[in-house]
Amino acid sequence: DGGITQSPKYLFRKEGQNVTLSCEQNLNHDAMYWYRQDPGQGLRLIYYSQIVNDFQKGDIAEGYSVSREKKESFPLTVTSAQKNPTAFYLCASSIDEASNQPQHFGDGTRLSIL
Amino acid sequence: DQQVKQNSPSLSVQEGRISILNCDYTNSMFDYFLWYKKYPAEGPTFLISISSIKDKNEDGRFTVFLNKSAKHLSLHIVPSQPGDSAVYFCAAMDSAGGTSYGKLTFGQGTILTVHP
Repeated sequence: DGGITQSPKYLFRKEGQNVTLSCEQNLNHDAMYWYRQDPGQGLRLIYYSQIVNDFQKGDIAEGYSVSREKKESFPLTVTSAQKNPTAFYLCASSIDEASNQPQHFGDGTRLSIL
Repeated sequence: DQQVKQNSPSLSVQEGRISILNCDYTNSMFDYFLWYKKYPAEGPTFLISISSIKDKNEDGRFTVFLNKSAKHLSLHIVPSQPGDSAVYFCAAMDSAGGTSYGKLTFGQGTILTVHP
């Protein structure tokens, strides 16, 4: 069954700690995205990747880092520089960045600060 | 600067009636629009989309209307069912190029509640 898998579903971070959120897709999609959702707000783009070994900053990239070493994987690291990391993080993918094709989402990871 | 706005935080509708969710945008470069449905603690699910070359797209109970001159789109759900209760996000994309190329910009979402 094709889809996007995010893990873990819930994650807790201590002050000053880096944490990495996993995102894996088996849809053979070229483009992958990370969004953050805060209560009462829409999704905001953190980073996106059009192709392996390439990625660009989105609207709120500060305090985050990503890698795209494999087509199916796009992990997001929330660094200690991100001062307000508590949010719901969503990973998405699409066939490619250019075509008018919808992005498909995983079920998200909720990150909280201890 | 909120380029995509959903001005109604919530909407309550009786089962069987029509639900109309609205969305406004300011960026004239947006040419592809989508609606997503989201349940709590889950990722958004794609519902329906429309390209700017059309003014209407229909898929079963869901119809999206686009008014380019007013920079306004709406999602109609007829008839509404209790299972439609969720948060609905509209999103827009500039698919032709520019700094927004390929990126979706989302509205804040509207909570739809359909009462039995």
